[in-house]
Amino acid sequence: EAGVAQSPRYKIIEKRQSVAFWCNPISGHATLYWYQQILGQGPKLLIQFQNNGVVDDSQLPKDRFSAERLKGVDSTLKIQPAKLEDSAVYLCASSGTGYEQFFGPGTRLTVL
Amino acid sequence: GENVEQHPSTLSVQEGDSAVIKCTYSDSASNYFPWYKQELGKGPQLIIDIRSNVGEKKDQRIAVTLNKTAKHFSLHITETQPEDSAVYFCAASKSGGYQKVTFGTGTKLQVIP
Repeated sequence: EAGVAQSPRYKIIEKRQSVAFWCNPISGHATLYWYQQILGQGPKLLIQFQNNGVVDDSQLPKDRFSAERLKGVDSTLKIQPAKLEDSAVYLCASSGTGYEQFFGPGTRLTVL
Repeated sequence: GENVEQHPSTLSVQEGDSAVIKCTYSDSASNYFPWYKQELGKGPQLIIDIRSNVGEKKDQRIAVTLNKTAKHFSLHITETQPEDSAVYFCAASKSGGYQKVTFGTGTKLQVIP
């Protein structure tokens, strides 16, 4: 079974630029999560999708972050414009009918 | 919302010794407590979990205990090996509608050969 795929693995941008991350969850998983993991901290949930609908985006900075999940499969997370404090690893995870979340390798974003 | 505290933030043990990581949670409605291991450059991976109707669960060298009254749970790793070196995260969640997981701040475990 293929795992959760994410791209790119690394991204360096300057502040005020835009960036997008892509995630392909495990086939058949209805729930998809985007987390932000700042260095030395635990993952913080940004947004959670159930199929292609949003069930929780309470911690998503909606003035600059947006996410979509087309056709209930792949998902894209965008930051526009980026700030220095957005430097972090962005993790995508998916889950099926059970409780376990399966994480991708993450995208390390550096904002200069 | 849920708040999960985790201690210690770093832990060094000699190979073969035991390691214990402790977490507390704030929401008494939380009923699922997973533990994740994160190796450098990788995403977290579930290593063991426990539900609120169980007090202890064991899987080979790894065990988790849960005290619902005190709202704390612990990870125990026995006979540690160098490959156990990683960052470990506890988490808490509650079901109902949808599951939202809150992670602790992580413990960096170093096993010294």
